[in-house]
Amino acid sequence: GDSVTQMEGPVTLSEEACLTINCTYTATGYPSLFWYVQYPGEGLQLLLKATKADDKGSNKGFEATYRKETTSFHLEKGSVQVSDSAVYFCALNAGGTSYGKLTFGQGTILTVHP
Amino acid sequence: EAQVTQNPRYLITVTGKKLTVTCSQNMNHEYMSWYRQDPGLGLRQIYYSMNVEVTDKGDVPEGYKVSRKEKRNFPLILESPSPNQTSLYFCASSRVIGQGASEAFFGQGTRLTVV
Repeated sequence: GDSVTQMEGPVTLSEEACLTINCTYTATGYPSLFWYVQYPGEGLQLLLKATKADDKGSNKGFEATYRKETTSFHLEKGSVQVSDSAVYFCALNAGGTSYGKLTFGQGTILTVHP
Repeated sequence: EAQVTQNPRYLITVTGKKLTVTCSQNMNHEYMSWYRQDPGLGLRQIYYSMNVEVTDKGDVPEGYKVSRKEKRNFPLILESPSPNQTSLYFCASSRVIGQGASEAFFGQGTRLTVV
C-alpha cells in the first residue's frame, strides 16, 4: 500500500538556520505530494504541493521538489524564523480510486529558538 | 470565507456514552473524510464520503460511524466510546486539482478524551 516516511524529530534550530525535513514515499502510479503545517492549537494548513515529477512547490520561503527517481519530496527553507515553529506533515494523494484520501507521514516537530 | 467547521473543539466524556462530532463545509466539495491524529502515527483516515449517501471505511474505522445526508455535513459518531479513542480528530473536505488528484482542507480539530 501507499506510505510516507518522514525524518524523525523533533528538530531544534536557531533562527536563520537552514532547514531540511526529509520525506520519502511509496506509491503506485503518480501521486500528488503535499506538505501540511500544523501550528500549535490549530488545524492543518496546506503549505505547498506538487502534482507531477520535477514540479517544485513553494510558499512562505519553503520549497520542495517532487523527485520521482528517488521517490522523495524533501522540505527546505534557507532561513527559519521563530514563527516557523510547528509540526510538519508530508502527505501523498494517489488519485484514481484513492481520490480524496491522503496518506500522511508521522509528522516532524520543528522548534526554532531566537 | 471558505472553511471546514468542526464542533466541539474539546470534549471529555465517559466510556460508553454516545457522542457526535459535527463537521460542515461551505465549499460545495463532494469528498469529505475524518482522520485521527496520534503521536508518532501521523494522521490516519477513519471514514470517507464521496458524495451524499455514499460512505466507506478508511484505514481505522472500528468503533466509528458516519453519515452523509447533506453535501455540506459529515458527522462522526462514536456509539460507545472507549479510552483508546482518545485522540485529536480532524474533518477534511477535498477538491479536485487535476488528473484525479485532490487537495484537502481541514477543520480546526476536536480533542476528545474518553475516561
